[in-house]
Parts: sequence; structure tokens; C-alpha cells
Amino acid sequence: DAKTTQPPSMDCAEGRAANLPCNHSTISGNEYVYWYRQIHSQGPQYIIHGLKNNETNEMASLIITEDRKSSTLILPHATLRDTAVYYCIVRVPGNAGNMLTFGGGTRLMVKP
Amino acid sequence: DGGITQSPKYLFRKEGQNVTLSCEQNLNHDAMYWYRQDPGQGLRLIYYSQIVNDFQKGDIAEGYSVSREKKESFPLTVTSAQKNPTAFYLCASKASGVRETQYFGPGTRLLVL
Repeated sequence: DAKTTQPPSMDCAEGRAANLPCNHSTISGNEYVYWYRQIHSQGPQYIIHGLKNNETNEMASLIITEDRKSSTLILPHATLRDTAVYYCIVRVPGNAGNMLTFGGGTRLMVKP
Repeated sequence: DGGITQSPKYLFRKEGQNVTLSCEQNLNHDAMYWYRQDPGQGLRLIYYSQIVNDFQKGDIAEGYSVSREKKESFPLTVTSAQKNPTAFYLCASKASGVRETQYFGPGTRLLVL
């Protein structure tokens, strides 16, 4: 699986958009980009995933660059409850049971 | 409610004692996983099971054992051979299909006395 690089921490003002970057320059053609988040002392929560097209759901938007070497998770109107660690993972679906390996992630702090 | 449950929320283990962490899901998912998370770290895979009566070691299986006798249950035993068991343990499950994603339980925090 390709390695990802994320900033260790970010701040965001409540009500503003939170843009979380992820670099995955060694991503291969059949690897998807997944985003999860983990609120303190809880299990990770799935947010969104994509292959090459931009994706949007009720939680967030995922923007993947044309060369697929980086992506950005966008929380359009961050709230205090969005304070969490956000993990970017690249993975080929179906590989070895499709388990996920999480790195250090980005600790997002949403401030009033 | 459909979902994944883990029990207990907190578990204390004495030196040399085996303990078993429960994970149950009513989502009819085929695959189940156990991860370990240490403070400030990401998740590391302990064991996973893709179907009943079958399971595979993950990256850090030493000192752990699992069983998968029923589709909805995947208990993890932390044995006395695991020398540093204090951690947050997370169970996950996934439906069949290559595009399906994993969904996680609330976790069990294990502390050694």
C-alpha cells in the first residue's frame, strides 16, 4: 500500500471550512483514497473515499488532484464536534482482506 | 439498532492472566478485524477473519489469539505472552464486496494492574 503524509495538526475556526491535505505521491492506479476520523477514545468513523473523481457526501467532500498524488478532505462548515484526528489511507480494495493501516493522521482542533 | 458492539469498555488485567475482549456485529458482515492503538499512534492490525472458521494473523499477532465460530462474533484473547498489553483495542467489520469499507466498534481500553 502507498504511504501517506499528513500534517500532524491543524486549527480551524468554527463555521469555517476545514481543508485537510494528504500527500500520496506513490499511489498506484488501482488504489483508492479513504478518509476516517477518530474522536478521542472512540472507534474510527468512516468519512469518504474515492479513486480519481471528486466525491461528496453528507459529511465532507474529497478533492483528488488530477495526477492523484495528493488529495484534500473538506469539511465545509466545521463545528466543535468535528475536533478529531483525521486519517488518510490509500488502499487497493480487496487486498488481503482489505484491512486498513492507519498512520499518525492530522489532529484537527476546531475553535470557537 | 444495527452496529458493532465491544465489551467491556474498560478491562483490567493482572500479570500472567489471560483476558478476552468481546466483539459482536449484527450487520451481517463477513469480515471482521482486530486493531490495537497505543497513545498518540495509529492503528495496527492484530488478526482478521474473512469468513467463519477462518482467520489470519496481522502485523502484531504475537501474544493474541482469536476465534470465529459465528459470523457475528470475533472475540480476542490477550494472553500472558503479550508483554505490553495496555492499549486501546478496536474491532471492525466489513461487508463483502471490494468497494465496501470498514466500520468500527467503540473500543475496549485494557489496563494492566
